[in-house]
Amino acid sequence: AQSVTQLDSQVPVFEEAPVELRCNYSSSVSVYLFWYVQYPNQGLQLLLKYLSGSTLVESINGFEAEFNKSQTSFHLRKPSVHISDTAEYFCAVSNSGGSNYKLTFGKGTLLTVNP
Amino acid sequence: DTGVSQNPRHKITKRGQNVTFRCDPISEHNRLYWYRQTLGQGPEFLTYFQNEAQLEKSRLLSDRFSAERPKGSFSTLEIQRTEQGDSAMYLCASSLTSGRHEQYFGPGTRLTVT
Repeated sequence: AQSVTQLDSQVPVFEEAPVELRCNYSSSVSVYLFWYVQYPNQGLQLLLKYLSGSTLVESINGFEAEFNKSQTSFHLRKPSVHISDTAEYFCAVSNSGGSNYKLTFGKGTLLTVNP
Repeated sequence: DTGVSQNPRHKITKRGQNVTFRCDPISEHNRLYWYRQTLGQGPEFLTYFQNEAQLEKSRLLSDRFSAERPKGSFSTLEIQRTEQGDSAMYLCASSLTSGRHEQYFGPGTRLTVT
């Protein structure tokens, strides 16, 4: 069985401040890791993913996440946030083997960026 | 590519009634997933199709729930004899068989059981 823990349910920050959203996972098998974002009144959108290779992955809008196998973490960071980054962020894992890549999600972190 | 669509977007029903939701995946995607999301929680896996075959069902999917994907295209999720605990957002996602492992989510169907 797999599980995902997002350590902060809410993170309020001021515009242009750096932010880190924490994610830890538990799994007995190798995993793929994902961050999804849900803007108000919209569906889930993939923000970034780690499948293999470089442990640092980046999104097109300035977010990055680093896979740390020893600490079983996949924290999401952005050096300077914008008001438009206000959303709920979900960390998720799936098995890297087999045929069912079902996602196991954390409970989400609500990022609120204030002016 | 119009994305994953779900209908209806909202459904209010009385306890004990049956409801059916539809999901239209991205056209070339042969994998289709259903998830359920309740307030304050992340989405939870319900079931998974590869083409028309339902390959896995979660223990969350009681015998009042049934899902189909005839001809490997759209999928339906039916809940019989709805209960207040079924109130949730029902999400559908689709993906390709191999390679990128990205699941694309629809906007969801919000079910309220009164």
